[in-house]
Amino acid sequence: EAGVAQSPRYKIIEKRQSVAFWCNPISGHATLYWYQQILGQGPKLLIQFQNNGVVDDSQLPKDRFSAERLKGVDSTLKIQPAKLEDSAVYLCASGSYTEAFFGQGTRLTVV
Amino acid sequence: AQKVTQAQTEISVVEKEDVTLDCVYETRDTTYYLFWYKQPPSGELVFLIRRNSFDEQNEISGRYSWNFQKSTSSFNFTITASQVVDSAVYFCALNYGGSQGNLIFGKGTKLSVKP
Repeated sequence: EAGVAQSPRYKIIEKRQSVAFWCNPISGHATLYWYQQILGQGPKLLIQFQNNGVVDDSQLPKDRFSAERLKGVDSTLKIQPAKLEDSAVYLCASGSYTEAFFGQGTRLTVV
Repeated sequence: AQKVTQAQTEISVVEKEDVTLDCVYETRDTTYYLFWYKQPPSGELVFLIRRNSFDEQNEISGRYSWNFQKSTSSFNFTITASQVVDSAVYFCALNYGGSQGNLIFGKGTKLSVKP
């Protein structure tokens, strides 16, 4: 069974630029999560989708971050404009009610 | 407030040594789940175990074992006879409600196993 796919794996941008990350969850998984993992810390949940609806986005910095999950499958996370403190690994996970599987993440460096 | 504390930032052992990774959690919920994940250098989070708050039995899976004690709010992880392939960052996490992907993670413990 294919796992959670994310792209790109790495991205370097200058501050104030925009960036987008893509996630393709495991087939059939209704729930999709985006996590932010800053170096030396544990992942922090940014947003949770159930099908194409948002369940929890309480920790998403909505002034610069946005996410969508069209048709309840793939998802994109966007940052506009990026700040230096956004440098992190962005992890996507998908799952059922009882378990979640993580992708390898996108490492973002903002310079 | 929900919180997970992993006091050990880094641990270094020699192969075949036993090692215990500590995890202390805080929650006001009576029903919750605790997890351990492994993060190898490739970056992917690998699920190791899930425990619900009503099951305090210790669990053993091969060289891995977990000790859950509600009285001390701890969920410790022991690797017996460590191997170089065990080198990774290990995260303890608490599910704070809803689906199992809603997790609060500790800061992780980096384990280095030297040959």
